[in-house]
Amino acid sequence: ILNVEQSPQSLHVQEGDSTNFTCSFPSSNFYALHWYRWETAKSPEALFVMTLNGDEKKKGRISATLNTKEGYSYLYIKGSQPEDSATYLCAFLSSGTSYGKLTFGQGTILTVHP
Amino acid sequence: DTGVSQDPRHKITKRGQNVTFRCDPISEHNRLYWYRQTLGQGPEFLTYFQNEAQLEKSRLLSDRFSAERPKGSFSTLEIQRTEQGDSAMYLCASSSGGTSTDTQYFGPGTRLTVL
Repeated sequence: ILNVEQSPQSLHVQEGDSTNFTCSFPSSNFYALHWYRWETAKSPEALFVMTLNGDEKKKGRISATLNTKEGYSYLYIKGSQPEDSATYLCAFLSSGTSYGKLTFGQGTILTVHP
Repeated sequence: DTGVSQDPRHKITKRGQNVTFRCDPISEHNRLYWYRQTLGQGPEFLTYFQNEAQLEKSRLLSDRFSAERPKGSFSTLEIQRTEQGDSAMYLCASSSGGTSTDTQYFGPGTRLTVL
């Protein structure tokens, strides 16, 4: 059983604050890590697919880093806005699968207060 | 918008009834996935289709669950004799299938409540 853990489970920040969350995953059999943002009543939205150790990806005010040797990824949001309020999910893809069967963490619920 | 769509968005049923959900993937995506999310958990893999072939089923998918993807287009997930433990959000995703790292595009989900 693959264990993908996210912390914290929930986070409340003020508008303008910068924040970050962690995704921990097995360091063996790593193939890829996906990050998604899921707003209430909408579809989960793909943010990043990360494959290489040391990868850094950026999309607007959101960025992510990857450390496959120690099995963690950080997601950063700079200058949080109320519209960033969502559940952020990471999903691990093992090299043992020949297709995209994702194992998700439980998510970090972010609430940004105006 | 030509994203993944799911129908219905919400379903309330009584225990013991059968329910069927539909997923329409992005056109020409040949991979289709079903996931289930229960409260406080991340989505869990249920099953996967490559075109019309169902290539893997999770142990979470009991005999009461069946999924199909006729002609490799839309997919249906049926739950027979629903139980309260089946209450969850059922998510569908599709990908182009070029590589296993392809982005999976998700639909908005069907929330099932079994009374």
